[in-house]
Amino acid sequence: KNEVEQSPQNLTAQEGEFITINCSYSVGISALHWLQQHPGGGIVSLFMLSSGKKKHGRLIATINIQEKHSSLHITASHPRDSAVYICAASKTSYDKVIFGPGTSLSVIP
Amino acid sequence: SQTIHQWPATLVQPVGSPLSLECTVEGTSNPNLYWYRQAAGRGLQLLFYSVGIGQISSEVPQNLSASRPQDRQFILSSKKLLLSDSGFYLCAWRPGWVGAGYTFGSGTRLTVV
Repeated sequence: KNEVEQSPQNLTAQEGEFITINCSYSVGISALHWLQQHPGGGIVSLFMLSSGKKKHGRLIATINIQEKHSSLHITASHPRDSAVYICAASKTSYDKVIFGPGTSLSVIP
Repeated sequence: SQTIHQWPATLVQPVGSPLSLECTVEGTSNPNLYWYRQAAGRGLQLLFYSVGIGQISSEVPQNLSASRPQDRQFILSSKKLLLSDSGFYLCAWRPGWVGAGYTFGSGTRLTVV
């Protein structure tokens, strides 16, 4: 079993829909990251959180430490949100990031 | 402010040729530095990390090596590329204190032909 898992693996949404991507992890973490990877490959860091909730524009990230679960929400989705969203965990015992497999999102106009 | 530079963005190399990818960080000192690789259809995997000049830890045995000749410079190398070395290579850094977040470079798309 992977230490960081994501669901769904692929997601297609209509423009304007509310989107949720889920991440669960099985290791102790110091922080949970949400990253966005566009088709060209470049990766942008969206959020780093260790508790609670963070919001940036139409993006909201939440984390539940007890349940070892995090969610990324996109409100009023737009075609430019189409990308692969990656959840990654910084482990407490090691100074490394464990990446999830990614969720491929396609937003259709 | 701190920034991370990674180059080149894309690279096509023949099998058996050498490789050198460079990553530099600005605006900070003594960062922890990381090289990750994403093979086609797979998630990112840690290759090397460094907590100081000349200190390199390897996570996965492979055809690659890393060096840190200066505090804010991290280099990924190979003497002879294999087809299986193709992939997306990502450099990242974080401050040395516990709980600090990571900043990722823009990545290098390597195709070995």
